[in-house]
Amino acid sequence: NAGVTQTPKFRILKIGQSMTLQCTQDMNHNYMYWYRQDPGMGLKLIYYSVGAGITDKGEVPNGYNVSRSTTEDFPLRLELAAPSQTSVYFCASSYLGQAWGYTFGSGTRLTVV
Amino acid sequence: ELKVEQNPLFLSMQEGKNYTIYCNYSTTSDRLYWYRQDPGKSLESLFVLLSNGAVKQEGRLMASLDTKARLSTLHITAAVHDLSATYFCAVEVTDKLIFGTGTRLQVFP
Repeated sequence: NAGVTQTPKFRILKIGQSMTLQCTQDMNHNYMYWYRQDPGMGLKLIYYSVGAGITDKGEVPNGYNVSRSTTEDFPLRLELAAPSQTSVYFCASSYLGQAWGYTFGSGTRLTVV
Repeated sequence: ELKVEQNPLFLSMQEGKNYTIYCNYSTTSDRLYWYRQDPGKSLESLFVLLSNGAVKQEGRLMASLDTKARLSTLHITAAVHDLSATYFCAVEVTDKLIFGTGTRLQVFP
């Protein structure tokens, strides 16, 4: 049981490049989330999904896109990377109704130069 | 706009001492979570508080929730160096978690 798997773990992008951060969960959770964490700060919600085919914006969605074609996968797309997107990105999943809450991935550290 | 505020933001405390971290939030919620994060690591779940008056304890940490006051506390008893980390509270609102700013705890001998 792998939980929530994120790839890559580290990435350096040049300004204007694009990339996709991958997130996969094997717990059959219906809810999935993307957060970013800037240095010394809390986590901010970018996008979330309550099930396959359904996505919604969080607190800081600008500059990002998501899709949810399957229950397991929730990729995050950066189209035109900017230095302000330098951050650590965490994917999480949950099955609401379960009292034990949310499972977080190990994170992707992204630097835009 | 929902706000989740923690204080203090930084806490330096001596081993053996007690202290409390506060988490205030601005909207109605019945679920609150506490997480621990070590440098360069992901989040580790500490407590899930599901209702008003909930109290949970694990080792030297005890968390409580007052939904009427929109306040949760994380109490540290007889701190040890291993508790040095950043602690986050997170409020569950409409199927998602909104995080506080975090409290960086440093325990010294």
